[in-house]
Amino acid sequence: GDSVTQMEGPVTLSEEAFLTINCTYTATGYPSLFWYVQYPGEGLQLLLKATKADDKGSNKGFEATYRKETTSFHLEKGSVQVSDSAVYFCALIKLTFGKGITLSVRP
Amino acid sequence: NAGVMQNPRHLVRRRGQEARLRCSPMKGHSHVYWYRQLPEEGLKFMVYLQKENIIDESGMPKERFSAEFPKEGPSILRIQQVVRGDSAAYFCASSPQSSRNTEAFFGQGTRLTVV
Repeated sequence: GDSVTQMEGPVTLSEEAFLTINCTYTATGYPSLFWYVQYPGEGLQLLLKATKADDKGSNKGFEATYRKETTSFHLEKGSVQVSDSAVYFCALIKLTFGKGITLSVRP
Repeated sequence: NAGVMQNPRHLVRRRGQEARLRCSPMKGHSHVYWYRQLPEEGLKFMVYLQKENIIDESGMPKERFSAEFPKEGPSILRIQQVVRGDSAAYFCASSPQSSRNTEAFFGQGTRLTVV
């Protein structure tokens, strides 16, 4: 069946550091891939998505590229801010989620 | 266009009571998903419904849990005879269609505490 694997967390970075959160998937066919973000006490919000191979999703300085050859959709940001502290979920069709990873950014 | 509305936001139940969680999807959305979030465990898919139909309930516990999405009114997730282990945040999401290219929109969740 479909599955998503995220790197183990939590992740703690200093402000303005470079961020990479790894995500790999297993699925039949070519699903769309999503990154969702959950701020404390809130529901999930779509951060970005990519619908086909080599597509790059981007939003709020975050980027992720749909890599079919490595079945990956890693999330990156060049310079994180304290306001980016949240839980990040990688997801695919029928919204199969990874376990989520908690990011804390120190000022 | 209001987003996905879940109520109540917080629900406290004693062991053995019933919990009813409601989800009103976004206007025009006919697909509803329920997820459970436990600390340190991420989001777990529970059930996927369309109007009056359960499409996929592979994530639902076999006993005490049920879900419905009637022709009129919100989707309901019902937990009978709650136990402490049912304490979690329950999220509902809706989408206008089921396809591999459609993102879902989430409600803010219902946080169930069983005492």
